[in-house]
Amino acid sequence: EPEVTQTPSHQVTQMGQEVILRCVPISNHLYFYWYRQILGQKVEFLVSFYNNEISEKSEIFDDQFSVERPDGSNFTLKIRSTKLEDSAMYFCASSEGVGLGYEQYFGPGTRLTVT
Amino acid sequence: QKEVEQNSGPLSVPEGAIASLNCTYSDRGSQSFFWYRQYSGKSPELIMFIYSNGDKEDGRFTAQLNKASQYVSLLIRDSQPSDSATYLCAVKGYAGNMLTFGGGTRLMVKP
Repeated sequence: EPEVTQTPSHQVTQMGQEVILRCVPISNHLYFYWYRQILGQKVEFLVSFYNNEISEKSEIFDDQFSVERPDGSNFTLKIRSTKLEDSAMYFCASSEGVGLGYEQYFGPGTRLTVT
Repeated sequence: QKEVEQNSGPLSVPEGAIASLNCTYSDRGSQSFFWYRQYSGKSPELIMFIYSNGDKEDGRFTAQLNKASQYVSLLIRDSQPSDSATYLCAVKGYAGNMLTFGGGTRLMVKP
């Protein structure tokens, strides 16, 4: 069964450093998302991406965040200058379409620890 | 601000019983409703979705939606210890594709 994959599974970085989290969405899916979950808190939407453009973003997704589809398979989230409060699980998701009946499938996540 | 509310639990049920998980949402324009299961330290795993009023069944799971009351529920029949997890309710609005998640209900199924 096709699945979303993410690398690395765990990333430790120092405050102020740049990190890139990588995702390979399900191959026939056209819509890609990033969510995050701070330990013990709700899953929060960051951004959605379609046709090489951001289609929607939340207040969390400020100028220190960016997304890119550098090739036909990868989808990346870059955090330019990490802060302690960026420590969280970051989930990539993808869906075949939008609207009623289109589910979002989540990858296993990357645990980001900022020290 | 769109809100999705769930009782955090834990909800404890004996093996073989029916577990009933509830969720309310604030945005009356919400269109689609999803139930995910999340084991500790893992990612959300889709169980099922619903977008029409009424019941939708999938195996041991039944989702129920009442848009007038802004209420969605998940019933798990013949609960198993392996069903012990946190169940997340997620809502998608009329415009856009973002999911708004509730805080989840922790379910414990005791053998």
